[in-house]
Amino acid sequence: EAGVAQSPRYKIIEKRQSVAFWCNPISGHATLYWYQQILGQGPKLLIQFQNNGVVDDSQLPKDRFSAERLKGVDSTLKIQPAKLEDSAVYLCASSRTGTGGNTIYFGEGSWLTVV
Amino acid sequence: GIQVEQSPPDLILQEGANSTLRCNFSDSVNNLQWFHQNPWGQLINLFYIPSGTKQNGRLSATTVATERYSLLYISSSQTTDSGVYFCAVEPSGGSYIPTFGRGTSLIVHP
Repeated sequence: EAGVAQSPRYKIIEKRQSVAFWCNPISGHATLYWYQQILGQGPKLLIQFQNNGVVDDSQLPKDRFSAERLKGVDSTLKIQPAKLEDSAVYLCASSRTGTGGNTIYFGEGSWLTVV
Repeated sequence: GIQVEQSPPDLILQEGANSTLRCNFSDSVNNLQWFHQNPWGQLINLFYIPSGTKQNGRLSATTVATERYSLLYISSSQTTDSGVYFCAVEPSGGSYIPTFGRGTSLIVHP
């Protein structure tokens, strides 16, 4: 079974530029998560999708971050314009359902450096 | 929201030593998972353990849901065990939002 795929793995951009990250979850997984992990901290949930609907996006900075999951499969997370404090690893994860009691699987992450 | 506290924050061991990592949480949970984050940033599932005890090789975990804590045991540690260990919980009561602790950073010296 293929794991969660993410791209790009690494990205360096200047502040005020834009960037997009792509995620393909494990086949058949209805729930998809985007997490932000700043160095030295635990992952923080940005947004959770159930199929193509948003379950929670309370910690997503909506003035600059956006995410979509068209057709309930792949997802894209966009940052525009980027700030220095957005430097982090962006982790995509998926689980079979979002109703609790399911193992969550993570991709390798997309490392973003904003200079 | 639910609070997740992990201890100790940092741990340094000699190869072959045993260790216990702890995760305390502030509310009842439907799900608890332990992850190992390797030096390349990949989060690997170790255990899905909302209650009870599980073992996988040199690793084992116990969750006492009624007392709101979970323990991860590492026996006969190896250098490849180095990395950061996270616990993540999903609170019960309808908000299935996985929340992570700050992790325990483990270094195992040869």
